[in-house]
This record gives sequence, structure tokens and C-alpha cells, in this order.
Amino acid sequence: EVQLVESGGGLVKPGGSLRLSCAASGFTFSSYGMNWVRQAPGKGLEWVSSISSRSSYIYYTDSVKGRFTISRDDVKNSLYLQMNSLRADDTAVYYCVRGSYYFDYWGRGTLVTVSS
Amino acid sequence: EIVLTQSPGTLSLSPGDSATLSCRASEGISSSYLAWYQHKPGQAPWLLIYGASSRATGIPDRFSGSGSGTDFTLTISRLEPEDFAVYYCQQYGGSPLYTFGQGTKLEIK
Repeated sequence: EVQLVESGGGLVKPGGSLRLSCAASGFTFSSYGMNWVRQAPGKGLEWVSSISSRSSYIYYTDSVKGRFTISRDDVKNSLYLQMNSLRADDTAVYYCVRGSYYFDYWGRGTLVTVSS
Repeated sequence: EIVLTQSPGTLSLSPGDSATLSCRASEGISSSYLAWYQHKPGQAPWLLIYGASSRATGIPDRFSGSGSGTDFTLTISRLEPEDFAVYYCQQYGGSPLYTFGQGTKLEIK
């Protein structure tokens, strides 16, 4: 059974940093592209970042470029999102998502709240 | 940027009815790169349809997708109580790499 479990969310002040983690199991993690997708309170889904297998390709949505860094550890079957210079509009549930072109498995999400 | 516009914003129907949800792209996209998701509050989104018309694993045949170019449709026949949720379309390609529609809320009438 495919499982994606996020952790690392919480309350942080504007300008602060957080590192999200996603523990993957039930599939060959190294073979899949992985992604972060977020949902702000009362809003729709927004793609944040993607990393291909072997970390060959990395992409970000414009609003997080230069502030967020996606990475993966294929030995630990884990996906990460380092978030720096956080802003109030980064407040959202962050989902760890498997897939390329479309997203076939999602975690339950971790809440990040940016507030003073 | 490719913008996906979903309509209607809210659809009020009864169990047993059929639902037709629309997703219109601001420019033509490949059918291979159009997907639909179901999202219930507090749960992870769930892939329903990929490649515009292929059902994901375990998705009942009451769910069907169609369309090409700029106009795509998700049809849900014989609505079950568990089908009432928010539905999103999503496309791949361009900048940003992935975009979602704003969602259609399917609610019980």
C-alpha cells in the first residue's frame, strides 16, 4: 500500500524557516517524480514544486523561487521542502504527492501557519 | 500561463442524479495531460481521471472524463452520497508546470 506521511508543519513567524518532510512507503520511491502541492485556507489547490527521479529536474512555482528548496533522499525514501523567508501567504496545508504529469497518490498534509 | 476555469462553482444535486462538471483551458492543452481529482474536507485529494478519459485504479465506471483542446468534462452518473465533494481539474505543461482549476463543489440538494 502506497503511503505518504508529511511532518514538520507548525506555526512560524514571518521571515522564519521550516523544513517539511515526507516519508514514503509501499513503492519504489527512487523511480518516481515527487511533488509538493498546497492549499491555503478556503482556497483551491496550488502546485508548489516538483523533483524528478534521480533529482535530474527541479521546478518551482514563481512565488516560492529563491525561498523554497525541494530535495529527496532515495536511501531514506524521503522528500523534503526547505522553506525560508516565509510569508503570511505561504500559510497552507502542504501535501506530499507522487507523480509526473498527474498526481496519483497524496499524503494527508501538514499545516504551515505563518503569523506573528 | 494556462488558466483552467471550472464551472459551475457549485452544483446542487440529489443522490441518483447525474453531474456534469466543466473545465475550460485558456489555451489548447494535450488530452494526455489533463486530470481530475476529488477532494473531501480533511482528506487527501484522490485521483479520478488522467489523460482526460482514463479512470484511475479503483475508480468506479460511474465516473467518466471526456474532451479535448480547451474543453474538458467530468461526468458522474448515479450520484452516491460519498460523491459529494470538491472536484478539481489539473493540467501539466507550460509555466507554471502544473495548474489546477478553482474547483467545483458538488453539494447535496
